[in-house]
Amino acid sequence: NAGVTQTPKFQVLKTGQSMTLQCAQDMNHEYMSWYRQDPGMGLRLIHYSVGAGITDQGEVPNGYNVSRSTTEDFPLRLLSAAPSQTSVYFCASSLRERYGYTFGSGTRLTVV
Amino acid sequence: GQQVMQIPQYQHVQEGEDFTTYCNSSTTLSNIQWYKQRPGGHPVFLIQLVKSGEVKKQKRLTFQFGEAKKNSSLHITATQTTDVGTYFCAGPTTGNQFYFGTGTSLTVIP
Repeated sequence: NAGVTQTPKFQVLKTGQSMTLQCAQDMNHEYMSWYRQDPGMGLRLIHYSVGAGITDQGEVPNGYNVSRSTTEDFPLRLLSAAPSQTSVYFCASSLRERYGYTFGSGTRLTVV
Repeated sequence: GQQVMQIPQYQHVQEGEDFTTYCNSSTTLSNIQWYKQRPGGHPVFLIQLVKSGEVKKQKRLTFQFGEAKKNSSLHITATQTTDVGTYFCAGPTTGNQFYFGTGTSLTVIP
């Protein structure tokens, strides 16, 4: 099993550009989430999904879109990149409620 | 903002000393989880506590869940350099959202 795979590992964007961060898991997990990590801020929830076709907002959803068309994939789209979106992004999945989350290795995004 | 607060934010200890980090929630949690993130790495799940007053041990690590299920602690006995990293607590809130605390960064001085 590959676990949770995130691509790309590093990305530099110009302000205003759009892009999609990919996340895939092969563990048949129902729950998937996107977090961003900034120094001193811990991990902040962007969007999450409790199953295919179901998504909802976390605490910092503005500027990001998600979709969950399959159980395996949960891409995060940046609509119009801003320097404030410079961060490390982690995708995580869990079998279901009350199970631990497995994290991907992260995407380090810089917006200039 | 954050639903789960964690203290201290940073802790430096001499190798062999003990270390404790505390996690506090403003609401009752159905369960709480702990994660460790090594420098430059990703968070790794350590353990989950579910019951009021629950205590679990993993070698030198002791995890506790408060009686009111609003707080938790992680205690490491006789720290080693391999314990270096940031320790996060995390818990569910309404609507299946899963929030992480701000984390405690542990530095172990050899």
